[in-house]
Amino acid sequence: KQEVTQIPAALSVPEGENLVLNCSFTDSAIYNLQWFRQDPGKGLTSLLLIQSSQREQTSGRLNASLDKSSGRSTLYIAASQPGDSATYLCAVRDGANSKLTFGKGITLSVRP
Amino acid sequence: GAGVSQSPRYKVAKRGQDVALRCDPISGHVSLFWYQQALGQGPEFLTYFQNEAQLDKSGLPSDRFFAERPEGSVSTLKIQRTQKEDSAVYLCASSLPGASYEQYFGPGTRLTVT
Repeated sequence: KQEVTQIPAALSVPEGENLVLNCSFTDSAIYNLQWFRQDPGKGLTSLLLIQSSQREQTSGRLNASLDKSSGRSTLYIAASQPGDSATYLCAVRDGANSKLTFGKGITLSVRP
Repeated sequence: GAGVSQSPRYKVAKRGQDVALRCDPISGHVSLFWYQQALGQGPEFLTYFQNEAQLDKSGLPSDRFFAERPEGSVSTLKIQRTQKEDSAVYLCASSLPGASYEQYFGPGTRLTVT
């Protein structure tokens, strides 16, 4: 059974810092991995999708990498801003058309 | 175009009542997923449809939970005889067919059972 772990559960940084959020998964036979952002009381906003054949994806200040063999992904946020404060979840897709398995998320607070 | 919409956004039910939660997927998205998110946890899979066919219902926690998508578009998640442990946010997601496509999520329905 696939398990996704995100550590730490919470992170607080000063504005302007570059930071890395980690995600690990137990079964490396994945189709893709998706990073989401969730604001309090809201649904999930997709940030980046990395296919199993890719090593990384970039969108603006965000860069996500994937190392399937070691079961790890990282989300890099450059020059963090208070507006980046949210919970960041990673999720893996194991098979064609199958469900996403989520981690518990990392709650990020960026201090002005 | 419009994103995934869900209604109601909030629902309070007394223990034992039946509830029905609605999901309108993005137009043209044949795949539809339901997830349950407890407070402080990541979403957990409940069930999956491709068009009107329910292909995976392995995540439904009990036979009190039932989902349908009769015409391959709108879906309804029904919970019978609600219990306090059913209190959670219920999220719906849709995508194009195939594993390579992103899932797009709705805002969720927050269910509170008193």
